[in-house]
Parts: sequence; structure tokens; C-alpha cells
Amino acid sequence: AQTVTQSQPEMSVQEAETVTLSCTYDTSENNYYLFWYKQPPSRQMILVIRQEAYKQQNATENRFSVNFQKAAKSFSLKISDSQLGDTAMYFCAFVSEETSGSRLTFGEGTQLTVNP
Amino acid sequence: EPEVTQTPSHQVTQMGQEVILRCVPISNHLYFYWYRQILGQKVEFLVSFYNNEISEKSEIFDDQFSVERPDGSNFTLKIRSTKLEDSAMYFCASSLRGQVGNEQFFGPGTRLTVL
Repeated sequence: AQTVTQSQPEMSVQEAETVTLSCTYDTSENNYYLFWYKQPPSRQMILVIRQEAYKQQNATENRFSVNFQKAAKSFSLKISDSQLGDTAMYFCAFVSEETSGSRLTFGEGTQLTVNP
Repeated sequence: EPEVTQTPSHQVTQMGQEVILRCVPISNHLYFYWYRQILGQKVEFLVSFYNNEISEKSEIFDDQFSVERPDGSNFTLKIRSTKLEDSAMYFCASSLRGQVGNEQFFGPGTRLTVL
């Protein structure tokens, strides 16, 4: 079974600085997808960024980028120029059609606080 | 922008009672999901639903749980006889397509408290 681990329950960063959230996963599959979801306080989870395992190039979405290390099974999220609105719970998630269909497997979450 | 909505936001019930949690997925989406998060634990998959039937379910989704799409807009999760351990946040999600890697859009959740 796949597992996803986020070892940082809480992180904080000063506004305008850069922060990196860690995620590791365990799978024997070769083809899968990894996601970072953001859940602001009292709001729904929204997709921040997606990475396809067969793509070597790291995904980027504006200020958000990932460092995908397939061999190390690591998928960290870098937030550049942090903004107050980035304060949220961040979840790393995994899906593989071969073994999990379309179900997402989530990590524990990292609560990020951006300080003014 | 279209959103997944869920009602109620908070449900309190007595152990043994039946509860129905309601979700309105995004209107043109075809695949629907329920997840739950017990306080302090990970978000866990419960069930996925397509074309009026369950596509897959987890080991958590036992006979106490059922899902239904009673009309063209609602997607419900029923727990027949609630237990204390059913207390959790329940998230509904929907996606346009069911292929792996497609974005699942989540609702804000229903907090279920079983007393």
C-alpha cells in the first residue's frame, strides 16, 4: 500500500520569504501522480500543483514549484515570495491507477503560517 | 467559479442514529467521492461513485455506509447507525473525468460529531 508522509506538522515563514514543505511517499509503482492541496482556514481544499511521475521536469505554478526526486521518493513544495494568503494547511497526496484507482492518499498535512 | 458545496457544515447526532450528509458537486462533473478526516489523523478515502454506482470503496466503507445520487444535483452519504468513531470531518469531492491525475474539487466539509 502507498503511504505519504509529511514530517513537518507546522511551519512558519515571514512574508516575502521562501519556504519549503517536505513530503515523502512510498510506492512500488512507476506511473503515478503527486499533488499539493491547500486548505485555507474554514475553506475547501484547492489544488496547488500536480506532478506526473513520468515527467522529469519539475512542475511550477507561479510562485509555487516542486522538487520531485523520484528515486528518493520525495516531493517538496517551494513557495516563493510568501504572502499572507498562503497561510493554510497544505496536504501532499498521491494517486496511482495501478493500485489505487482514482483514490487519493494523503499525508498528515503541514500547517503553514505566513507572518507579516 | 463553480464550487462543491456541502450541508450541513456541522452535524451533531446521538450514537445509533442515522445521518445523511449532503453534497452538491460541480454541475458538469461525472465522478464523485467521499473522504473523511478524523481529528488529528490523515484524510482517508471512503468511496468513489460514477454512473449511479460505486466505482471503488475502502475498507472503512462497510455496510453502515451508503451513497446515493437521488437527483441530478445531490450526492449523499448515509451512515445508518452512527458510532462514536464516526466523528470526523467528511469531505465530498467531484471531478470531470475519472482518469488518474484528474483534479478532484473538494467541498468545505461537514463536521460530524457523534455523542
